[in-house]
Amino acid sequence: EVQLVESGGGLVQPGGSLRLSCAASGFTFSNNAINWVRQAPGKGLEWVSGISGSGGSTYYADSVKGRFTISRDNSKNTVYLEMNSLRAEDTAVYYCARDRGVILTLGNAFDIWGQGTVVSVS
Amino acid sequence: QSALTQEASVSGTVGQKVTLSCTGNSNNIGSYGVGWYQQISHGAPKTVMFENSLPSGIPDRFSGSKSGTTASLTISGLQPEDEAVYYCSTWDYSLSVRVFGGGTKVTVL
Repeated sequence: EVQLVESGGGLVQPGGSLRLSCAASGFTFSNNAINWVRQAPGKGLEWVSGISGSGGSTYYADSVKGRFTISRDNSKNTVYLEMNSLRAEDTAVYYCARDRGVILTLGNAFDIWGQGTVVSVS
Repeated sequence: QSALTQEASVSGTVGQKVTLSCTGNSNNIGSYGVGWYQQISHGAPKTVMFENSLPSGIPDRFSGSKSGTTASLTISGLQPEDEAVYYCSTWDYSLSVRVFGGGTKVTVL
């Protein structure tokens, strides 16, 4: 079964750090780009970051650029989101989502989503 | 304000056809396919359409289309289980980011 499972969320003080993980199974991991998407309480979906299948290309939303770092370990089938200098407005459910393409700039849609992990900054 | 514009809400009765729209520009929808994502009661999103193709397991009452810089998702034969918020999304090459619409809440009357 193709699956993405997020972990690493929790409660953190403003200015603190967290590392989220997205563990994949059921497919050839390096064949797909992976994205992080978040949803603040009562708000819509917001794309946060994405990484190509090889890990060689990364992209960020302006709201997190310089504070968040995305990376992947294809030997462990896992994508990470290192979040530093956290702010109250980073409070959200964070989802990882599989891109149908190997690189983000192909503009393919997402096809698989994880269940999400909750980050609270307070 | 979202880069892609969607109706805030759409409603219909069981069996009715409803169409959701998603409007962008030449840098995003005009250049790439669009994904549509269903979110029921703030659960995890689920993909119901990608590049006008149905994912496995999604009923064929869902269909997608695109004309210029506007994409559409049509639900033909609305069912109670279709009540959800639907988001559209695509890549924007001028901004080098993925953009989402604000979401359309579909209510089944």
